[in-house]
This record gives sequence, structure tokens and C-alpha cells, in this order.
Amino acid sequence: QSVVTQPPSASGTPGQRVTISCSGSSSNIGSNAVNWYQQLPGTAPKVLIYGDNQRPSGVPERFSGSKSGTSASLAISGLQSEDEADYYCATWSDSLNGPVFGGGTTLTVL
Amino acid sequence: QVQLQQWGAGLLKPSETLSLTCAVYGGSFSGYYWTWIRQPPGKGLEWIGDINPSGRTNYNPSLKSRVTISADTSKNQISLTLNSMTAADTAVYYCARSVGDDYTWDYWGQGTLVTVSS
Repeated sequence: QSVVTQPPSASGTPGQRVTISCSGSSSNIGSNAVNWYQQLPGTAPKVLIYGDNQRPSGVPERFSGSKSGTSASLAISGLQSEDEADYYCATWSDSLNGPVFGGGTTLTVL
Repeated sequence: QVQLQQWGAGLLKPSETLSLTCAVYGGSFSGYYWTWIRQPPGKGLEWIGDINPSGRTNYNPSLKSRVTISADTSKNQISLTLNSMTAADTAVYYCARSVGDDYTWDYWGQGTLVTVSS
């Protein structure tokens, strides 16, 4: 059971905007940056968002991140079939003195 | 192009020791943090630990008593050792690189499935 909580699943139709939430506490999300990772089936995760809302070079603008208090969100606009993947948030845990992941959200494109 | 290539035994018996190696090709080795992360089949990601540019290590408290991460700068390799393996340690193990201790891993190994079974 992760200390950072994500919904297990999310879905949307092509072209739609979907959001995935990541909820924590003052000792993790509330005081540290949040990163988001996309994991396509059978592959290693790939960083989509770092520092709450920064996109690495090469990540499409339709992926965006935000944070408020002890919660963060990943938004995907203009949903595409290739976005079907597992998404993980990651942040620092002051109590663990290390990074922690959310439990992951499986995104289905209907 | 930076590549991380991993290898190690994929099938272990309970109580045996896991030993994995991750080699870095096509980029600098020094100056980066090197991390091991694992993922049980069908489940989420778990940080195992990391080693910083100075060789200092930081481990997940839940694994600290059993894990060792080391670096061989002459070979551009990092290693993971995990003792007293049980079925609960069955997972895909990844090595990954970050610029700092900011959990922004930009390059990952291909992953190694390690199964613990008698």
C-alpha cells in the first residue's frame, strides 16, 4: 500500500481530455516536487513531467502537470490511442528519505 | 546515445542472493545518480536504492538490511545485490540514471525479470 494514492484506472475517448490524480501528504507531495512516468506495456517507464509541471524535451505539449497542496494531477489533452499505458506519479518521501511512487493508473482509450 | 544494459540470473531459489549488473554505454558515468527500481508482475514500482557520484548509497528502509548497491567507475557499471531472496522479491528489476537525487530518471535499463521459486 503506497503512501501516495492514485486511482487504479482511468479512461477516455480519442480527442478527449483526461486527468489522473495523485494524492499524498505534507511529508511527500506537500513539500516535494512531483514527477510523472508513462509505462507502455512491456517497457521501462519514461518520464513525462518533472518538477510538478515541466516537460522534458520530446514530450508532447498535450501532457501537463499541476500540483496544489498535497495533491498533483496529470492532464492529457487530445487523447490518442497510443496514450494507453500505465501512469505513475513519483515524489520524495521525507519519512522514507527516498522517492516513493503512486500505485499507478491504467489508462484505457475507448 | 546513452544505453543502460542489464544482466544477471533470472531464476533463483528461496534464500539465494540476487546479483545484477547494469552497464552504461554512450555517455558519461561520473556525475550521475544510479538507481535500482523493481516492479512485481502486474504491480507498481518500488525504489530499491541508489548510489550518488561520490559513491554514497541510500536504500529503501524496507530492504536496507539485505541490499547493496555499488559502482565500478573503471567499467561504467553499477551492481545490485539482494540477499535472502523470497517469492515476494519476484519482480522486474530496472537500473536507471538521474542527474540528481530528484527521482527524474531519464535513462532506464531494459529490465530483468527475476523469479524466486523452489
